[in-house]
Amino acid sequence: DADVTQTPRNRITKTGKRIMLECSQTKGHDRMYWYRQDPGLGLQLIYYSFDVKDINKGEISDGYSVSRQAQAKFSLSLESAIPNQTALYFCATGQGGDYNEQFFGPGTRLTVL
Amino acid sequence: QKEVEQNSGPLSVPEGAIASLNCTYSDRGSQSFFWYRQYSGKSPELIMSIYSNGDKEDGRFTAQLNKASQYVSLLIRDSQPSDSATYLCAVLAWGNDKIIFGKGTRLHILP
Repeated sequence: DADVTQTPRNRITKTGKRIMLECSQTKGHDRMYWYRQDPGLGLQLIYYSFDVKDINKGEISDGYSVSRQAQAKFSLSLESAIPNQTALYFCATGQGGDYNEQFFGPGTRLTVL
Repeated sequence: QKEVEQNSGPLSVPEGAIASLNCTYSDRGSQSFFWYRQYSGKSPELIMSIYSNGDKEDGRFTAQLNKASQYVSLLIRDSQPSDSATYLCAVLAWGNDKIIFGKGTRLHILP
């Protein structure tokens, strides 16, 4: 089984709809991250969490919210989706410490019409 | 603004040759350096981590770090068509919570 899973893998929705993307991990890592990737723009950090009670905004948090339901679960919500939120969304986990390697889930391709 | 710079490519290399990918970073306090491979439409996969000056080898991959020059590179020996992908350089600064990613270099291995 995959260490980091994301659901759904693909989603098409309409402008104004509320969408939730879910991430689960079995790696036992404390740190979890949400990124979006657009062609030519690289990975942009949306939110990150170091434990259930610690949530931090990244570079592009406007229009997004998150929930850390448990150490292993971190959800991303688009409160009212708009077309320029069409992108690939990745969840990642990390163990922190001096090295802080991050490991990515398979991604969710979101299309907002 | 902390930055990680990579040539976007595409870098075309004949099969069997050595592919050399380069990355520079702006923050002298950076402590950890990573190379990720990303196939089109897929997620980034960590292939190398390096923390000290010098070379680190893993199979066909060698990561090279020069902190004085703020430069990190990835060499791929005996390049294969399956190495064709985008390679992301990523950097973590000391005491920083977040990894900074470069925009990636597209590598194309010519059969």
